[in-house]
Amino acid sequence: RKEVEQDPGPFNVPEGATVAFNCTYSNSASQSFFWYRQDCRKEPKLLMSVYSSGNEDGRFTAQLNRASQYISLLIRDSKLSDSATYLCVVKNYGGSQGNLIFGKGTKLSVKP
Amino acid sequence: DTAVSQTPKYLVTQMGNDKSIKCEQNLGHDTMYWYKQDSKKFLKIMFSYNNKELIINETVPNRFSPKSPDKAHLNLHINSLELGDSAVYFCASSRRQTSNEQYFGPGTRLTVT
Repeated sequence: RKEVEQDPGPFNVPEGATVAFNCTYSNSASQSFFWYRQDCRKEPKLLMSVYSSGNEDGRFTAQLNRASQYISLLIRDSKLSDSATYLCVVKNYGGSQGNLIFGKGTKLSVKP
Repeated sequence: DTAVSQTPKYLVTQMGNDKSIKCEQNLGHDTMYWYKQDSKKFLKIMFSYNNKELIINETVPNRFSPKSPDKAHLNLHINSLELGDSAVYFCASSRRQTSNEQYFGPGTRLTVT
């Protein structure tokens, strides 16, 4: 079982739609959680961190459920520029301190 | 100014050759990383250096040898290239070993023929 699992998609949605991505992680000791965004043939960039209380950044809302080991990302009012691959990322501490574990990503395509 | 830069951007070479990829960051960060993203888009850590000292060495063939001449540079040398080494290699850096955000370079697309 992979340490971080995501639905690979693609999610094809019209502009203005609300779309949700889910992610599960297997290591209950994982301490920090993130969503990164990767545009086609580009490098990953941090979109937002994910906190236990849930957090929002404009149209983006991230949530974490530690009991279920589940992370989500909600995008409201999708824009064409949101088209990208969204990577769920967890960070473990201890033996591999500072080690980011990436999911394979969920591809989003927003159409006019 | 580019924060994390890599050279070359594209590298096409034959099996059995030895090649190097260079990475530099001008952010003053202490920690640098090499990741491999394979054809299935799976991004996986290879190495991590903190202040020129190796701190993470995942299960990577010993044909891959990182070298950090100073904390702003982390180069990757690959010996006896194989077809399976074809991938995009990303360098990244973070302020400290414990920092959450990592800044990635643009990637080096390696094709082994």
